[in-house]
Amino acid sequence: NAGVTQTPKFQVLKTGQSMTLQCAQDMNHEYMSWYRQDPGMGLRLIHYSVGAGITDQGEVPNGYNVSRSTTEDFPLRLLSAAPSQTSVYFCASSPNLYRDTYNSPLHFGNGTRLTVT
Amino acid sequence: TQLLEQSPQFLSIQEGENLTVYCNSSSVFSSLQWYRQEPGEGPVLLVTVVTGGEVKKLKRLTFQFGDARKDSSLHITAAQPGDTGLYLCAGAHSNDYKLSFGAGTTVTVRA
Repeated sequence: NAGVTQTPKFQVLKTGQSMTLQCAQDMNHEYMSWYRQDPGMGLRLIHYSVGAGITDQGEVPNGYNVSRSTTEDFPLRLLSAAPSQTSVYFCASSPNLYRDTYNSPLHFGNGTRLTVT
Repeated sequence: TQLLEQSPQFLSIQEGENLTVYCNSSSVFSSLQWYRQEPGEGPVLLVTVVTGGEVKKLKRLTFQFGDARKDSSLHITAAQPGDTGLYLCAGAHSNDYKLSFGAGTTVTVRA
């Protein structure tokens, strides 16, 4: 099993450009989520999904879109990048976080480091 | 404002010393998880605690959940350089699909 795979590992964008961060998991997990990690602020939830076709906003959703057409994939789209979106982005999945937190830890990818100039 | 406050933010100790990291909140959680993150990687789960007053041990690491389920601590005995990393606590509420993370404590153990 590869677990959670994120691509690309690094990306530099100019202000106003768009891009999609890819996330795929091969563990048949129902729950998937996107976090951003900034120094001194920990991990902040951007969007999450409890299953294919279902998505919802987290703590900091502005400027980001998501979709979940399959169980395996959960891409994060930046429609018009801004310098404030410079961060490290983590995708995480869980068997069923919304039903059983105790037995459903988050499995994280290794992150995408995004710089917006 | 962080829902979960971790302290200290940074901790640097000598190999063999003990250390404690704290995770505090005014909110009650149904469960609390501790993760460790190494540079260039995603966080990895260490433990989940769910019962007020619960104590769990993982080799030299001891985790405690507060009686009121609002706070938690991580104690490392005889720290080793391999314990170096960013330690994150994360709280969950029942019927909520989100985990709220603290800002983390960066632990450095010097050989």
